[in-house]
Amino acid sequence: GQQVMQIPQYQHVQEGEDFTTYCNSSTTLSNIQWYKQRPGGHPVFLIQLVKSGEVKKQKRLTFQFGEAKKNSSLHITATQTTDVGTYFCAGRQGRAGSYQLTFGKGTKLSVIP
Amino acid sequence: EAEVAQSPRYKITEKSQAVAFWCDPISGHATLYWYRQILGQGPELLVQFQDESVVDDSQLPKDRFSAERLKGVDSTLKIQPAELGDSAMYLCASSSRGPLRDEQFFGPGTRLTVL
Repeated sequence: GQQVMQIPQYQHVQEGEDFTTYCNSSTTLSNIQWYKQRPGGHPVFLIQLVKSGEVKKQKRLTFQFGEAKKNSSLHITATQTTDVGTYFCAGRQGRAGSYQLTFGKGTKLSVIP
Repeated sequence: EAEVAQSPRYKITEKSQAVAFWCDPISGHATLYWYRQILGQGPELLVQFQDESVVDDSQLPKDRFSAERLKGVDSTLKIQPAELGDSAMYLCASSSRGPLRDEQFFGPGTRLTVL
């Protein structure tokens, strides 16, 4: 079945440093979504990427979808304490009729003030 | 802002007992999902409904788990009998019909502890 790998599992950064998490799929994806889960909370949708090579920005967050549509990254510039949480990528398979969104294990971000 | 409602928020049960979780999606959302999230892991899809029909239950342990969405609105997930390994957070999510934008809105979850 489809597997979505995410690295690193944990990341501790000093406030103001940058942060990047990477997501790799064993199969070609039709689209990829990113979610953020605060400690004790539930996943909250951040963005969806659909096109090969797509890059989207949300303030200090930059999301990329690889050319082969098998990998993606989330980069946060100048982290703040409000960025603390676990970031999940979730990929949807490229073949028709596949509804399932497969989540990675997430990258847990800690920001040291 | 509309939210996905889930109850109960916490459930403690003994193994071999039956448990049930309830979810009310955002009004108008045709697609409803049940996920299981083990601590330190990402959500794992158990079952997906489109209106009242199941479209994906390939990872639902059907010998003990069942889910229904009789009127295509709210949904119930049942476990009978519960096992120790079922301890996890059970998340419900919903999304609209939009073909290109199917962001999922998650509820607060039900944390299940099986003793």
